[in-house]
Amino acid sequence: EAQVTQNPRYLITVTGKKLTVTCSQNMNHEYMSWYRQDPGLGLRQIYYSMNVEVTDKGDVPEGYKVSRKEKRNFPLILESPSPNQTSLYFCASSLKGFGGYTFGSGTRLTVV
Amino acid sequence: GQQVMQIPQYQHVQEGEDFTTYCNSSTTLSNIQWYKQRPGGHPVFLIQLVKSGEVKKQKRLTFQFGEAKKNSSLHITATQTTDVGTYFCAGPGDGGGADGLTFGKGTHLIIQP
Repeated sequence: EAQVTQNPRYLITVTGKKLTVTCSQNMNHEYMSWYRQDPGLGLRQIYYSMNVEVTDKGDVPEGYKVSRKEKRNFPLILESPSPNQTSLYFCASSLKGFGGYTFGSGTRLTVV
Repeated sequence: GQQVMQIPQYQHVQEGEDFTTYCNSSTTLSNIQWYKQRPGGHPVFLIQLVKSGEVKKQKRLTFQFGEAKKNSSLHITATQTTDVGTYFCAGPGDGGGADGLTFGKGTHLIIQP
């Protein structure tokens, strides 16, 4: 089944403890993005990648890192999480960057 | 940067009534995409519009792209309980979507039986 898989689905962590949210797609898509969703603010892009080793900042990149060492994987790294990073995170991928993105099921992160 | 505005934020309708959400961009768009997110779910791609003045239909859903390619609308005829969710429009950046999307804040559709 074609899908974008994110792990974990839920995570509660403490301020300052490094964490990684994994994202993997099995559709051979070149384009991948991370978004965060907050009430009243909608979906905002954190980082995107157009191909292996090609990544760039989105609208809200502060406090996040990404890597794209393989085409299928696009992990989101929080080096020192803070409570304002408590949010619902979505990874998405697209074959052409045109024609729609497929989203993962989301990761609900709480930083205390 | 690019802004995508969507109204209304919430829409309450009786089952069987029609529903419309409107989307406006601060810049001309190469295309516009629409997504639906069910409560507790993730956004699901519905459709992409590319041409000026384009109208596309999916069963009871009608999508329009404005002549100036800066606005769009989604109209649902005779809503059903399965239509409940949040509808987002999204515009691509300068990369046509390769650099991701800018989303409107969405319209929450609430249906009263």
